[in-house]
Amino acid sequence: QLQLQESGPGLVKPSETLSLTCTVSGGSVSSSTYYWGWIRQPPGKGLEWIGNIYYSGTTYQNPSLRSRVTISIDTSNNQFSLKLSSVTAADTAVYYCARHLDGRKRGLDYWGQGTLVTVSS
Amino acid sequence: QSALTQPASVSGSPGQSITISCTGTSSDVGGYNYVSWYQQHPGKAPKLMIYDVTDRPSGVSNRFSGSKSGNTASLTISGLQAEDEADYYCSSYTSSSTLVFGGGTKLTVL
Repeated sequence: QLQLQESGPGLVKPSETLSLTCTVSGGSVSSSTYYWGWIRQPPGKGLEWIGNIYYSGTTYQNPSLRSRVTISIDTSNNQFSLKLSSVTAADTAVYYCARHLDGRKRGLDYWGQGTLVTVSS
Repeated sequence: QSALTQPASVSGSPGQSITISCTGTSSDVGGYNYVSWYQQHPGKAPKLMIYDVTDRPSGVSNRFSGSKSGNTASLTISGLQAEDEADYYCSSYTSSSTLVFGGGTKLTVL
């Protein structure tokens, strides 16, 4: 059974960089079938797609976040990561990693449990 | 990119059917058959209920069905049960090679 687990600091200071890692078990991020994505949800609000990445390193990102987002993949450790720079309180959210159904255009079928990141001094 | 438009809330009684709409544009919902629906219970991760407009993942009840007409997709839940009470989100692939979500709909089972 595929499992995804987010990890990283739960508290980040304003203007600093948020860094999260998603560790995949029961499957491989090196698969040529799947894209791997990041989604966030501010407290009490809806879902926002951040971006996704393919095993080759090809990425697609939300235009509203593109200038601050870096998504990378580490096939040797079966992980992919998110970096969001120059964070503000508006970036406080639960951050989820997930897998796209085969093909990046399709829905997200496996999700991590999510990790709350708070931006505060 | 603008979020897809969903009603903020819908409600229904046990056994009834409800429909949640998801309206986009020809650059997302109307342009591709890549609409998905997710169910989210409080404090939990979203769960995929429908993908590619009409398809159900293995294990999802056939009480859940999806459809699309023009720029509007719909999720129908028949035979409402108490456990269906949750937030529901739609998503669509877009012409910018991105994914966009709807604002979410809170379903209350009366």
